[in-house]
Amino acid sequence: AQTVTQSQPEMSVQEAETVTLSCTYDTSENNYYLFWYKQPPSRQMILVIRQEAYKQQNATENRFSVNFQKAAKSFSLKISDSQLGDTAMYFCAFMKQEGGTALIFGKGTTLSVSS
Amino acid sequence: DTAVSQTPKYLVTQMGNDKSIKCEQNLGHDTMYWYKQDSKKFLKIMFSYNNKELIINETVPNRFSPKSPDKAHLNLHINSLELGDSAVYFCASSQLDNSGNTIYFGEGSWLTVV
Repeated sequence: AQTVTQSQPEMSVQEAETVTLSCTYDTSENNYYLFWYKQPPSRQMILVIRQEAYKQQNATENRFSVNFQKAAKSFSLKISDSQLGDTAMYFCAFMKQEGGTALIFGKGTTLSVSS
Repeated sequence: DTAVSQTPKYLVTQMGNDKSIKCEQNLGHDTMYWYKQDSKKFLKIMFSYNNKELIINETVPNRFSPKSPDKAHLNLHINSLELGDSAVYFCASSQLDNSGNTIYFGEGSWLTVV
């Protein structure tokens, strides 16, 4: 069975600074996807970034980038130039590369960005 | 147009009642899901349907019954509601294609059982 671990329940950062959220996972699969989702107080689940396990290049989306270490089963999210609107809960998630499989979520990290 | 829409968004009901949450997706996806987010914000898969066929059925009380009339709809019916059923229920959909597999979520249905 796959598991996802987020070891930081809460993080805080000042505006314009950089913060890194940690995520590790456990799987025996070789092909899979990894995701970071953002959940603001509205509870909407917003996809931040996605990484295919077969790609060595780390995914980036504007101010968001990941450090994907497949051998170490690590998938951290870096947020650069943090903004107040980044305040939210962030979930790391794993999915096998098969149709119809479900996302397995970590317990989340609450990020607070202050001015 | 909302890609994955759920109704109702908010639902307050008494213990013992039966209630349904409806979900529709207009993305043309083959797979739909129900997730439950509890008071500690932990997200857990409940059910998954692929082309109207149940493919994932996690350990969920049989008071919860999903129904998929077609691949664009997945409804969740809950019988004999209990206090512990209070949660946010998310519907989601996905499609495995050449660009990969990404799950898109609805806005959630906040269920409060009193």
